[in-house]
Amino acid sequence: GAVVSQHPSWVICKSGTSVKIECRSLDFQATTMFWYRQFPKQSLMLMATSNEGSKATYEQGVEKDKFLINHASLTLSTLTVTSAHPEDSSFYICSAADINNQPQHFGDGTRLSIL
Amino acid sequence: GQQLNQSPQSMFIQEGEDVSMNCTSSSIFNTWLWYKQEPGEGPVLLIALYKAGELTSNGRLTAQFGITRKDSFLNISASIPSDVGIYFCAGVIQGAQKLVFGQGTRLTINP
Repeated sequence: GAVVSQHPSWVICKSGTSVKIECRSLDFQATTMFWYRQFPKQSLMLMATSNEGSKATYEQGVEKDKFLINHASLTLSTLTVTSAHPEDSSFYICSAADINNQPQHFGDGTRLSIL
Repeated sequence: GQQLNQSPQSMFIQEGEDVSMNCTSSSIFNTWLWYKQEPGEGPVLLIALYKAGELTSNGRLTAQFGITRKDSFLNISASIPSDVGIYFCAGVIQGAQKLVFGQGTRLTINP
């Protein structure tokens, strides 16, 4: 079945550091990838939609200069949290969809802790 | 924006009991998906529904796409301890790519 790999699974770093998270589709070509943020005991909140070879579409309220998304190939998208601060600490999850867009398969998430 | 109302928010049941949860919306959805999430992990797809009225099973799980296309339910029969987790419904509006998620149902099972 469709497999999405997300790396790293856990990051702890100092305030002001930029952190890159990778999302890979392992056995299919992901024309679209999605990045979510999840706070404890809450549902997933979509941050942005990333289409291969084009700029990401950000949801309202998400700072595109803070959360840089690159989708340079059909199997890899990256999310960079620039100059991270404690309020950026969260669980970040990516998902990927093939050319038919259904259904989305999720990575295992990245727990980001900013000290 | 579009919202999915998922209920119940939490369930505490005995092992062996059946479970039922549902999602409703004021919007029409083209696709309904049910995911399960365990602590520290990403959601795992359980069942995907693509047609109004569709009833699909995956082992002890059964889900249906409502006729009005505004609701879906998920049933779990004869629950076992490994069913513990948070279950999310998600819908896709026709012509859109992104998922709209429900608030989740947290399932706890007493052995």
